[in-house]
Amino acid sequence: QKEVEQNSGPLSVPEGAIASLNCTYSDRGSQSFFWYRQYSGKSPELIMSIYSNGDKEDGRFTAQLNKASQYVSLLIRDSQPSDSATYLCAVCGERGFNKFYFGSGTKLNVKP
Amino acid sequence: EPEVTQTPSHQVTQMGQEVILRCVPISNHLYFYWYRQILGQKVEFLVSFYNNEISEKSEIFDDQFSVERPDGSNFTLKIRSTKLEDSAMYFCASSEQGSYNEQFFGPGTRLTVL
Repeated sequence: QKEVEQNSGPLSVPEGAIASLNCTYSDRGSQSFFWYRQYSGKSPELIMSIYSNGDKEDGRFTAQLNKASQYVSLLIRDSQPSDSATYLCAVCGERGFNKFYFGSGTKLNVKP
Repeated sequence: EPEVTQTPSHQVTQMGQEVILRCVPISNHLYFYWYRQILGQKVEFLVSFYNNEISEKSEIFDDQFSVERPDGSNFTLKIRSTKLEDSAMYFCASSEQGSYNEQFFGPGTRLTVL
């Protein structure tokens, strides 16, 4: 059973701070990794993807991947109240190359 | 900006009835997916579809479920003889290419089985 683990939170940060969200996965053969944001009652919205070890930056967001440690993270700089949502980590496994395994998500609260 | 659309937004049905959930993927995308999310739980993969056939399916996707691409734009999920535990949000997603590619989700259909 492939597992994607996230701390459910809630993670509370003040406005303007850096929010750090973490995810671990069990399938060592996983090749691609994604962060989605989900507001309550809404569908997952893609934030960014990462495929190689290291950092990938897109605006206020930075994804970090360490395949050796089976760990992927998302940093949100200058957090805004509108960033308050549940952040989902999704992993595409080696064998299941046409499906994503989702974590349960981390709820982020950004306090004004 | 192109987006995945789904209809209806909310479907209420009686246990044992059949429902069809509809999706229009992004037009140049080749891979299509259905996921479900039971309230308060994680998003779960149901099925992927490529070149007019099922590419992969999960253990959830049993004989009760079927998918179809009836024309060049629509992608449907049929649930035969619905059960109470089928109540969930059903999301359609599409990707331009399959392996490892970004998937874009539709707004979802909330299915309520009474």
